[in-house]
Parts: sequence; structure tokens; C-alpha cells
Amino acid sequence: AQSVTQLGSHVSVSEGALVLLRCNYSSSVPPYLFWYVQYPNQGLQLLLKYTSAATLVKGINGFEAEFKKSETSFHLTKPSAHMSDAAEYFCAVSVGYGGSQGNLIFGKGTKLSVKP
Amino acid sequence: EAGVAQSPRYKIIEKRQSVAFWCNPISGHATLYWYQQILGQGPKLLIQFQNNGVVDDSQLPKDRFSAERLKGVDSTLKIQPAKLEDSAVYLCASSLFAFEQYFGPGTRLTVT
Repeated sequence: AQSVTQLGSHVSVSEGALVLLRCNYSSSVPPYLFWYVQYPNQGLQLLLKYTSAATLVKGINGFEAEFKKSETSFHLTKPSAHMSDAAEYFCAVSVGYGGSQGNLIFGKGTKLSVKP
Repeated sequence: EAGVAQSPRYKIIEKRQSVAFWCNPISGHATLYWYQQILGQGPKLLIQFQNNGVVDDSQLPKDRFSAERLKGVDSTLKIQPAKLEDSAVYLCASSLFAFEQYFGPGTRLTVT
């Protein structure tokens, strides 16, 4: 069975500092991995996805994530935080086969705060 | 292109009452999902439709929850009767391709 663990329910950084949000996955088959962002009172927006191509994935708003099979990790980074990055971020894993292809299993989320 | 539409945005009901949520997916998206997001947790899949057929409803509490997708477009999720623990945000998502889901703004349900 697939699962996702996000380390740290709340991360706080200063504007301009590096953003690092941690995600570890468990999967019995090669995983497809995703990062979503959720702003208050809004739905989730896809930031980036890993679907077995390049291990370094670039997404929207300057975010990127690296798939590391040996560490079962898919951490999200951004070199320089902006105030507008304050939101909740969810890591998700998907089964890549069968009728349920595309079904997502989410982590509990990490709330990012950005201090001026 | 219009996004996924959901209504109502907010709903407050008393326990044991019934409630229904509506979702209109992005035009042309064959796959539709309903998720439940409890405060402090990530979304949990309740049911997945492919056109108007159910693909996965293994996590849907079928004794009180029901969902339908008539004509393979709009979908309705119903809870009857509601319990306190059903308080959550109910998210609808749709996709054209398996790994690109687009989410609606959600319906926040409070059961008192």
C-alpha cells in the first residue's frame, strides 16, 4: 500500500530564504509523486509532478522537487521565499496502473509561513 | 477555460439532517473525484467516476454517503443522516489525463 509522510506540520521562513518542505513516501510499486498547494478557502493547485521521467522536476512559481529512490523522498524546494508562497502544501502519491490510476493518497500537509 | 465548480461553498446543518453537494467538472473531463478533507489532514478520496460509472468507492461510507454522476457530467454527493464527524471540506476534482487533477474550491460542511 502507498503512503506519504510530511515532516513538519508547520514551517516558517523569512522572505528571501530557502524553502524546504519534506516528503517521504512508501510504495510497493514505482510511485508517481505530486506536490499541491492550497491557499485559504481554495481548492488544491498542482505545483509539480514526478511520473518516472527526470528525477529533478520543475514546477510553477519557482518550485522544484527531486525524486530520490534510495531515500524514498520527494522534497519540495524554492531558493527564495516570497510572501505569496504562504499556504499549505500537500505531498501525494498515486498508483500508476489499473482502473484506479490517478487516485491520490495525500500527506497531512505542511503549512508554510513567510516572515517579512 | 472554466474551472471545476462546486456549490454551495458553505453549509451548516444539525446532526441527523441530510445535505447534498453539487459539482460541475471541467468540460470534457471524463474522470471525476470526490474527496473529504478533515481539518488538519490531507484530502481522502471518497469516490471516483469514469464517465457515469464508479471506478473506486472503497472509502465511501455507504451507509450514509451516496454519489451519482448522471450523464457523465455533473455529480452530486449526498450525506444522510449527517454525523458530527462529517464536518469537513468536500472537494471535487476532475481530470482528462490520469495524473492531472483539477480541484474545485470545495464545500465547507459544519455539522452541529
